[in-house]
Amino acid sequence: AQSVTQLDSQVPVFEEAPVELRCNYSSSVSVYLFWYVQYPNQGLQLLLKYLSGSTLVKGINGFEAEFNKSQTSFHLRKPSVHISDTAEYFCAVSFSGGYNKLIFGAGTRLAVHP
Amino acid sequence: GAVVSQHPSRVICKSGTSVKIECRSLDFQATTMFWYRQFPKQSLMLMATSNEGSKATYEQGVEKDKFLINHASLTLSTLTVTSAHPEDSSFYICSAKGTGGSYNEQFFGPGTRLTVL
Repeated sequence: AQSVTQLDSQVPVFEEAPVELRCNYSSSVSVYLFWYVQYPNQGLQLLLKYLSGSTLVKGINGFEAEFNKSQTSFHLRKPSVHISDTAEYFCAVSFSGGYNKLIFGAGTRLAVHP
Repeated sequence: GAVVSQHPSRVICKSGTSVKIECRSLDFQATTMFWYRQFPKQSLMLMATSNEGSKATYEQGVEKDKFLINHASLTLSTLTVTSAHPEDSSFYICSAKGTGGSYNEQFFGPGTRLTVL
């Protein structure tokens, strides 16, 4: 069965420090990979996605992620975080074929401290 | 960019009543819409997938008679929570997927907070 694992439920970090949010998936078929951000009481905003091609993907707000097929990972990184990056981050996977149903990880709460 | 709206953003109702939530794609045609449920501090769980003009496909464990989904047009899907109970209180989020291409991104609505008293 396909699944998504976000290894850290919470990540505290100081402002201007680098951060990595980890995501691993399990699948026997090709995948599409996504990172979404959710601010309190709001819907989801797409940060970046990997569909094919270059394994290093750059997204909005200075975030990037690298698809590693051998390690089945898609970790999200930012070299220098801001207070405004405090939010919930979700990794999601869609499997090729079908109607592109998304399976979400449990989420990682990023808390940026001054 | 593609915009998806939800109405209402927040609703409080009494136990036993029914509540309808609308999801609209404002600037594109959505052949497929998805309904998710999110409990506090938890992830999104897919409830059902609706395709315009056909019956919704429900995920395992979701009661189709309790959560009625209608996708009557290419820009509107509705979720009706029938005979709501306090355990139905949750954050409901819809997403919409456009037409054409090998893959189409899902665009998410802002969510609807349902509180059942």
